[in-house]
Amino acid sequence: EIVLTQSPATLPVSPGERATLSCRASQSVSSSLAWYQQKPGQAPRLLIYGASTRATGIPARFSGSGSGTEFTLTISSLQSEDFAVYYCQQYNNWPPWTFGQGTKVEIK
Amino acid sequence: EVQLVESGGGVVRPGGSLRLSCAASGFTFDDYGMSWVRQVTGKGLEWVSYIGWHGGRIGYADSVKGRFTISRDNAKNSLYLQMNSLRAEDTALYYCARSMRDWGDHYYMDVWGKGTTVTVSS
Repeated sequence: EIVLTQSPATLPVSPGERATLSCRASQSVSSSLAWYQQKPGQAPRLLIYGASTRATGIPARFSGSGSGTEFTLTISSLQSEDFAVYYCQQYNNWPPWTFGQGTKVEIK
Repeated sequence: EVQLVESGGGVVRPGGSLRLSCAASGFTFDDYGMSWVRQVTGKGLEWVSYIGWHGGRIGYADSVKGRFTISRDNAKNSLYLQMNSLRAEDTALYYCARSMRDWGDHYYMDVWGKGTTVTVSS
């Protein structure tokens, strides 16, 4: 099973600032990595797939990068609606597909 | 509008059974694989099971293998999860999600329902 480790667990950021979230895989997942955003009481929402491709309707301030075992989600200028929990998920090897434990982006 | 609506959750005693359903609309259901993902309150996401568009490819997390069975009825645009021998640790919010092919045999989850809650308690 591939283990995904996200860091940091919590990221305090001021509105308008850049946020950088990390996801590390225990073995290579190539570019088969997705990022999801989850707000309280809501279902996860797909942001990025293929490590760097934005899903339909996702603002350009969200970008993904990386391949192999190291991945990054960057939010260039945080808006109030971006404060949420973010999960990475690998879909290169299954079963199982696995998720990271999440990074909570909170208001600084 | 693409939509997934889960139902069938509830309270069940340990060792009991429950069948979850997911009704799909707004897209051609039998063009897509489908997954179940669960989330314990306040915790992270755990993939549970996947079924291919025609039901020929199926996978389970080790935590549910042998107890849960995924199935689909393309004529009814519906996905199911039969859960037997339920345990307290199966208590969670269960989401169904559409699985979109990226490349080769690799699928990510692009549309999610709002979930249905399963509580296993005596």
